[in-house]
This record gives sequence, structure tokens and C-alpha cells, in this order.
Amino acid sequence: QVQLQESGPGLVRPSQTLSLSCSVSGSLTSGAYYWTWVRQRPGKGLEWLGYISYRGNTDYNPSLKSRVTISLDTSKNQFSLKVTYVTAADTAVYYCARDKGFSGVDSWGQGTLVTVSS
Amino acid sequence: DIQMTQSPSAMSASIGDRVTITCRASQDISNFLAWFQQKPGEAPKRLIYVASSLQTGVPSRFSGSGSGTEFTLTISSLQPEDVATYYCLQHNSFPRTFGQGTKVEIK
Repeated sequence: QVQLQESGPGLVRPSQTLSLSCSVSGSLTSGAYYWTWVRQRPGKGLEWLGYISYRGNTDYNPSLKSRVTISLDTSKNQFSLKVTYVTAADTAVYYCARDKGFSGVDSWGQGTLVTVSS
Repeated sequence: DIQMTQSPSAMSASIGDRVTITCRASQDISNFLAWFQQKPGEAPKRLIYVASSLQTGVPSRFSGSGSGTEFTLTISSLQPEDVATYYCLQHNSFPRTFGQGTKVEIK
């Protein structure tokens, strides 16, 4: 069973860049996986942000596409999320997850709360 | 993008009741639909994938059905530990999209 763990600052100033990492047990490139970020605003539902594939291909939620970047660091067995020009609306619990393609998302990190505030 | 419409948004039922939650897709997603359970302060937990396959370790009172555009999650006999919010997620194509969630409470 793969383990995922998010890490990064819990507080980000408005207009700055939110940066999170997800550490993965096991190899990021050993299978046809899509390494995924999902967020959940306080009291709201789940919002898919995007993925990076084991080959380095990416796809993002169209509503955030211009502000989101997901990258892979195989040397550290991590993948990362950056969201630029954050506002209070980006305050959320951010989850990293593994998506196995046609069998879907099967594993999640525990989530990390990021608050955007001055 | 595929839109997922989940209903109801909230419900209450008695212990032992049969509970049904529905998810409708805006286009045909074959059987590529998953159901997740989320309890407060916890990450979502997968219950069902490819519409009807039960995740290992999930109680058999949970079941999923459907194909195409209409899907159902059924809890055959509601238990106190089933109090949670349930989400559907289409995994037919990217971008992935979730339903809005159904909060299940005990009456």
C-alpha cells in the first residue's frame, strides 16, 4: 500500500505563491500512475486540481489552469504543487493522491491545511 | 468537461435503514465511477470503484451500481459509523470531476 504525505507552509500571504510537496513511499515512475492534487475549501466539497503522470505529462483544472503547476522530483520521490497569486479563496485543505487511470484514485495523503492571510 | 450531479445533498435516516445516493454524469462515462466516504477531519476513503467493485476491507453493506450516466451508492443497513459525507468521482477522463457530496446523518 503506497503512503503519501503532504508538507509545506500552513500560512501564505495574499498574492504570494503556495508551494506544497508530497512524499511518496515507493517509486513515482514504476507504474502508470497519475500523481494528483485535490483541495477542499472549508465546509465545501472536493475539487480536483490536476495531475502529473509518471512520464511527466500534466493536466490541470481549467478553472485554475493559469495559476497551477505540478512537477515531479524523482530523486526525492516527491511531486509538488504551486499555486500563484493566491487569495483567501485558496484557503483549503490540500490533498495529494495517486490515480491509477481507469481504476481511479485509490490512495490519499492525510491532507494539509493552507491558510491565505496577511 | 464532465459534470457530476449528486443527490440528495443531505439526508437523515434511522439505524438499519437502506440508504441510496445517486450520481448523474453529463455524458456517458461507461462504468468509470468511484464512491468515497469522508468523515470530519479525515481524508476521503474509497468505497467503490469502476461503479460496482468493492474496495478491499469495506463492509459488504456498501454497494454500487450503474453505468453510462446514472449511478447509485447503496448502504443496505445504515450503521452509526456510516455518518459521513459521500462523494462520487468520475475516472473516465481528465479533468476528473467530483459530485457535490451527500451528507448522511442519523435520524
